[in-house]
Amino acid sequence: EVQLVESGGGLVKPGGSLRLSCAASGFDFKIYTMNWVRQAPGKGLEWVSSIINNGLYLYYADSVKGRFTISRDNAENSLFLRMNSLRGEDTAIYYCARGVYDKNGYKGDAYDIWGRGTAVTVSS
Amino acid sequence: EILMTQSPATLSVSPGERVTLSCEASQSVSKNFAWYQQKPGQAPRLLIYAASTRATGIPARFSGSGSGTEFTLTVSSLQSEDSAVYYCQQYDNWPRTFGQGTKLEIE
Repeated sequence: EVQLVESGGGLVKPGGSLRLSCAASGFDFKIYTMNWVRQAPGKGLEWVSSIINNGLYLYYADSVKGRFTISRDNAENSLFLRMNSLRGEDTAIYYCARGVYDKNGYKGDAYDIWGRGTAVTVSS
Repeated sequence: EILMTQSPATLSVSPGERVTLSCEASQSVSKNFAWYQQKPGQAPRLLIYAASTRATGIPARFSGSGSGTEFTLTVSSLQSEDSAVYYCQQYDNWPRTFGQGTKLEIE
């Protein structure tokens, strides 16, 4: 079964740090672009960061640039998000999501597989 | 940053009816465009990518069209389980951006 499972969320004080993990299974992880998307309570979806399959190209939303770092371990089929200098506005459910790569060879940043998310709360 | 604007914000429709949701991009995104469905307490679900390609397992009553800046999602013969929030997304430019969502209620 194709699956993404996030972990590492929790309650952290402003200025603190967290490291989120996403364990992938059921597919050839190393060939896919992987992404983090978040959703603040009662709000819409916000793209956070993406990492291309080889890990050489990293992209960040302006709201997290310089504070968050995306990485991946293709040998362990895992995606990570290191979050530093956390702020109240980072409070959200963080989803790990896979970029589409279909049977016709189409590859794009539409997210076809999502995890269930891990909740991050930044509060004193 | 490309702004994605969805309309309407909320829609209430009867079962069996046909509904069209719209999304406008502030600049052309070609066909690098997707639609998602999100139900309460669940992760989003990809419905349409490349503007008009149904994702795996998505019923044929969902269809997408458009290119450039104007896109539509049509749901024919609405069913009760289609009640959800629908989001559009562009993936032509960085940062990737989503619309604010359309809440679809089934009467």
